[in-house]
Amino acid sequence: NAGVTQTPKFQVLKTGQSMTLQCAQDMNHEYMSWYRQDPGMGLRLIHYSVGAGITDQGEVPNGYNVSRSTTEDFPLRLLSAAPSQTSVYFCASSYFGGRTETQYFGPGTRLLVL
Amino acid sequence: GENVEQHPSTLSVQEGDSAVIKCTYSDSASNYFPWYKQELGKRPQLIIDIRSNVGEKKDQRIAVTLNKTAKHFSLHITETQPEDSAVYFCAASNGYGGSQGNLIFGKGTKLSVKP
Repeated sequence: NAGVTQTPKFQVLKTGQSMTLQCAQDMNHEYMSWYRQDPGMGLRLIHYSVGAGITDQGEVPNGYNVSRSTTEDFPLRLLSAAPSQTSVYFCASSYFGGRTETQYFGPGTRLLVL
Repeated sequence: GENVEQHPSTLSVQEGDSAVIKCTYSDSASNYFPWYKQELGKRPQLIIDIRSNVGEKKDQRIAVTLNKTAKHFSLHITETQPEDSAVYFCAASNGYGGSQGNLIFGKGTKLSVKP
């Protein structure tokens, strides 16, 4: 198993550009989520999904969109990048929420918005 | 919604000493409390977790305690080693599915173990 994979590892954007961060898992996990990590702020939940076709907002959803057309993939879209979105983004998955299973994190995507 | 406070933000100990990191949570319905370790440039990884029906759990040199009445839980690392140096995050969730399964994280504690 590859576990949770994310692409790209690093990306530089200009303000106003859009892009999609990719996340995939091969563990047949129902639950997937996106976090952003900023210095001194911990991990903050952006969006999450409890299954294919179902998504919802987390703590900091503004400026981001998600979709979940398959169990395996959960892309995060930045509609119009802003410097405030400079961060490290982690995708995570678990069998179902945090209830009984470890959340497995991807390796992260480091995003710099100029 | 849930709010998790974590203290201290930084902790420096000598090798062999013990380290304690404390977290408090606000939602009395939370019932799952994991701890994650994140080494520099790496992804967070689960090191131990505890559920609300248990007061203490140990795994070799690490242990977690939970006080439901006071709504706080702590991570204890004994006989610290340089490889324990990392950022540690606590989290809480009301894990019965849907949005209640979301983990809310503390802001992290940077632990430095000096040889």
